Amino acid sequence: EAAVTQSPRNKVAVTGGKVTLSCNQTNNHNNMYWYRQDTGHGLRLIHYSYGAGSTEKGDIPDGYKASRPSQENFSLILELATPSQTSVYFCASGDAPGHLNSDYTFGSGTRLLVI
Amino acid sequence: GDSVTQTEGQVTVSESKSLIINCTYSTTSIAYPNLFWYVRYPGEGLQLLLKVITAGQKGSSRGFEATYNKETTSFHLQKASVQESDSAVYYCALGGSSSSFSKLVFGQGTSLSVVP
Repeated sequence: EAAVTQSPRNKVAVTGGKVTLSCNQTNNHNNMYWYRQDTGHGLRLIHYSYGAGSTEKGDIPDGYKASRPSQENFSLILELATPSQTSVYFCASGDAPGHLNSDYTFGSGTRLLVI
Repeated sequence: GDSVTQTEGQVTVSESKSLIINCTYSTTSIAYPNLFWYVRYPGEGLQLLLKVITAGQKGSSRGFEATYNKETTSFHLQKASVQESDSAVYYCALGGSSSSFSKLVFGQGTSLSVVP
């Protein structure tokens, strides 16, 4: 079954430390996304990718980097974690194969606490 | 740009009463907008509740309905009789192809509490 898998499910990090959130998809979608979800803000797009080797800035990229080494994998990297990055992070894959019908699948989320 | 607006941040409804959560959208880059409602139950991930890809059509799932209205650029979520198990956060989203990229834009979310 096609799916998006995120790891870890939960993470506690110290301020100033490096954090890597991983995402794997088996949907064969070209596009992948990282969102963060905070109360009152909905889901906000951090980075996205068109395909292997590409990463693009979303609406709130500051403090984050992304890496797409393959079609299946898309990582979100916090080089110097700060408490303001405490949030729930969702990875998704998506495509619009016919340009009329869009298809998106979300992972279960990673809950990150930066102390 | 592209945006989605949900006017209610928090809604409390008594069990068996009706519900409407408002959603309006705006897009300048998506040629064929698709509209979605996602739901996040406490402690769980994001789930697709319903999706409509054609203006004028209605989507339905688990007793919820939403009609894609291109004239008013709206996609309100309705349910005739809510249950406690419907308590969750609901997100309206706009998706579709913008040139060669498929994008998905979310509203702020509406937290629904259903009380006995």
